[in-house]
Amino acid sequence: AQSVSQHNHHVILSEAASLELGCNYSYGGTVNLFWYVQYPGQHLQLLLKYFSGDPLVKGIKGFEAEFIKSKFSFNLRKPSVQWSDTAEYFCAVNDYGNNRLAFGKGNQVVVIP
Amino acid sequence: DAGVTQSPTHLIKTRGQQVTLRCSPKSGHDTVSWYQQALGQGPQFIFQYYEEEERQRGNFPDRFSGHQFPNYSSELNVNALLLGDSALYLCASSLKAGGQNEQYFGPGTRLTVT
Repeated sequence: AQSVSQHNHHVILSEAASLELGCNYSYGGTVNLFWYVQYPGQHLQLLLKYFSGDPLVKGIKGFEAEFIKSKFSFNLRKPSVQWSDTAEYFCAVNDYGNNRLAFGKGNQVVVIP
Repeated sequence: DAGVTQSPTHLIKTRGQQVTLRCSPKSGHDTVSWYQQALGQGPQFIFQYYEEEERQRGNFPDRFSGHQFPNYSSELNVNALLLGDSALYLCASSLKAGGQNEQYFGPGTRLTVT
C-alpha cells in the first residue's frame, strides 16, 4: 500500500508570505493525488486534485500543486497566504483503479495577521 | 444538496463495549469509505463498501466491521473496544468504485474509550 510523507508538520508564517508544503509518496505507477484542507472546526475539504494531464494543478483559494513523477512528489504552493489559510493540510494518494486514500500526517499551518 | 452526514457527533464508551457509527453519503454517491484519524495523525483507511459489499480493507482487525444498506448509507461497528480505538472516525462517499473519483468527507464521529 502507498505511504505518504509530509514534512514540517507545524508551519507558522505571516500574511503575504509564500507557502510551500512538501508531499512524497512511496512508489510509482499510475496514481491520483489530492490535497485536502481542514479549517478549524470544519470537516476535510478537497483543495485540489491531480488525475492526469498538466502536472501543474490549480485549486481553490489560489492554491496550486505540482506533480513531479520522477520525484514521487506533489508539493502544494500558495504565493501569498492570508490569515484565513490557517488550517491543517493533508496530502493523499491512491493508486489508479483503487480509491482507498493513503494520507500523510498533515501540516498544521498558522498564518499570523 | 446534503453532503455527507454522520451520527453521532461524539460518543463515550468503556473498554470492552461495542459501538455503531452511522453515515449517510452525499446525494448521488454509492460508495462509502471509513477512515480512522488518531490525534495528530492523518486519516487511515479502514474499509470501503460498494453495492452492499466490503470491497477493500485496510490494516484493521476483525473487531472492525461494517455494513452498507440499499440506500447506500453505512454503519461502522467496533467490538471489544480498546483505549487505542479512541479517535475521530470519518466517513467519505464517492460516486463509484474506481480510481478517479474524489471522496467527500463528513464531519466525523469523535469516539472516546475510557
